[in-house]
Amino acid sequence: KQEVTQIPAALSVPEGENLVLNCSFTDSAIYNLQWFRQDPGKGLTSLLLIQSSQREQTSGRLNASLDKSSGRSTLYIAASQPGDSATYLCAVSPPGYQKVTFGTGTKLQVIP
Amino acid sequence: NAGVTQTPKFRILKIGQSMTLQCTQDMNHNYMYWYRQDPGMGLKLIYYSVGAGITDKGEVPNGYNVSRSTTEDFPLRLELAAPSQTSVYFCASKEGGPTGELFFGEGSRLTVL
Repeated sequence: KQEVTQIPAALSVPEGENLVLNCSFTDSAIYNLQWFRQDPGKGLTSLLLIQSSQREQTSGRLNASLDKSSGRSTLYIAASQPGDSATYLCAVSPPGYQKVTFGTGTKLQVIP
Repeated sequence: NAGVTQTPKFRILKIGQSMTLQCTQDMNHNYMYWYRQDPGMGLKLIYYSVGAGITDKGEVPNGYNVSRSTTEDFPLRLELAAPSQTSVYFCASKEGGPTGELFFGEGSRLTVL
């Protein structure tokens, strides 16, 4: 059974700092890994999707990496802003089997 | 550019009542999912579907039923509502394969009193 872990559960940083969020998974047989953002009381917004054949994806100030062999993904946020404050979740999709497994998220607070 | 649409956004039920949460997507995705999210907790899969006419149980299916008569629609039925079903419910859809990006609806907040 796939298990996805995100540590730390919460993180507080000053504005302007670069930061890294971590996602670990136990089964390396995945189709892709997706990072989401969730604002309080809102739905999940997709940030980046990394296919199993890729090493990283970039969108603006966000960069996500994937190391299947070690079962790890990181989400790098450059020059953090108060508007980045949210909960960030990662999710893995295995091949030939459509149940997506989510981590429990990292709650990020960027202090002005 | 609707994506995944859920209705209603909010609902209060009395114990023992039944209701249906509606979910529709306009992206022609085969795969659809229902999750629940309790305060401070992660997402738990209730039911999923890999295509019209095909559904299967997730982690927490008890007290719920689904149907998938069309590609677009995947309603979630709550029978005999209980306080333990108070939660936020999310519907999601995606294509299959390694490029399949998961898209979520905005959620339905349900309270059972």
